[in-house]
Amino acid sequence: DAGVIQSPRHEVTEMGQEVTLRCKPISGHNSLFWYRQTMMRGLELLIYFNNNVPIDDSGMPEDRFSAKMPNASFSTLKIQPSEPRDSAVYFCASSLMSRGTQYFGPGTRLTVL
Amino acid sequence: KNEVEQSPQNLTAQEGEFITINCSYSVGISALHWLQQHPGGGIVSLFMLSSGKKKHGRLIATINIQEKHSSLHITASHPRDSAVYICAGHEETSGSRLTFGEGTQLTVNP
Repeated sequence: DAGVIQSPRHEVTEMGQEVTLRCKPISGHNSLFWYRQTMMRGLELLIYFNNNVPIDDSGMPEDRFSAKMPNASFSTLKIQPSEPRDSAVYFCASSLMSRGTQYFGPGTRLTVL
Repeated sequence: KNEVEQSPQNLTAQEGEFITINCSYSVGISALHWLQQHPGGGIVSLFMLSSGKKKHGRLIATINIQEKHSSLHITASHPRDSAVYICAGHEETSGSRLTFGEGTQLTVNP
């Protein structure tokens, strides 16, 4: 299996622009997680889905962030409008069960100027 | 105060040394993960355990649920073990949410 796939790997944008990050989980996995990693705060869970349904979005920082999972093989994390403080590495992970081993994608390094 | 605390924050060792990284948590945890993050940024799940001990190659993870403590041991350390090691717990009351420690930066010198 190719593992969890994320795109783009790097994104540089200007403040105010819309940013869309994409994730393809491992086939057959029914749980998907979006994380953000910064030097100051480490790894933080933003949102997770179980069977394509958002279960816990309490980590989403504010209304500028939204996530969707239209089907079992695709999820997006959107930031609109982006701000410099959103600069971070965003990881997507999937697991077979909601409390199982999580497999991480390579991450998207976002820089907002 | 973080609910999951790791020690030490930084660890430097010589190749071949036995290494221990500790993780303590203040909330009820149903399972605990040990993750490895390499300098390139990729994150790999090493172990998930809820009791006892697990071993994979030179890596050993133990957990004591009652004492709310877990350890990750590396035997015969090698420079390629240099990475950030992160423990994360599944809280009992919050479903799949993981609470992360701040990570331990391990450097193994040849």
